[in-house]
Amino acid sequence: EAGVTQFPSHSVIEKGQTVTLRCDPISGHDNLYWYRRVMGKEIKFLLHFVKESKQDESGMPNNRFLAERTGGTYSTLKVQPAELEDSGVYFCASSSRDRAFYGYTFGSGTRLTVV
Amino acid sequence: AQSVTQPDIHITVSEGASLELRCNYSYGATPYLFWYVQSPGQGLQLLLKYFSGDTLVQGIKGFEADFKRSHSSFNLRKPSVHWSDAAEYFCAVGVRAGKSTFGDGTTLTVKP
Repeated sequence: EAGVTQFPSHSVIEKGQTVTLRCDPISGHDNLYWYRRVMGKEIKFLLHFVKESKQDESGMPNNRFLAERTGGTYSTLKVQPAELEDSGVYFCASSSRDRAFYGYTFGSGTRLTVV
Repeated sequence: AQSVTQPDIHITVSEGASLELRCNYSYGATPYLFWYVQSPGQGLQLLLKYFSGDTLVQGIKGFEADFKRSHSSFNLRKPSVHWSDAAEYFCAVGVRAGKSTFGDGTTLTVKP
């Protein structure tokens, strides 16, 4: 099966601009997660979709971040306007409903640099 | 609140030597525990997981982990390290289909 795909792999934007990250989960996976790693620290949870619904968005840092998953397939994470502290690696992961306890399948991540 | 501590930021071992990476967790109930590995330029790959049953868990690439409830630990081991094992390793604790909490990671360097 195809893995979790994220793009772009890298993005460099100026402070105040908008960036949209995309994640295509494994086909049929209802659970989709966004995580990020800032400054080489721990990987932190951002939010969790079940199909198109936000199950848990407790990790979203502020209202500059907007995640969507229209139709329960791919997801986008928009940062508007971007700030310097948003730089980091954004990971997407997915898991199936019936195999959710087997752990995640991660994408390769998007490295976001805000200058 | 759940938390994970990986005490070792960086470990260096010689190829062929044994390896143990430490992980301590804090969780209010029976935890779901995971070890992931991230090789350079790659995403995180699941090495192994523990939910219940046998406390010695076998994973991929020859790795195993030992769950010790009394120590709140889930240490990762490998009897003989290969140069290709050089990577960053993450321990995580979570709920079944919800969010996971990750440690800061341990970077493994393998000396020839």
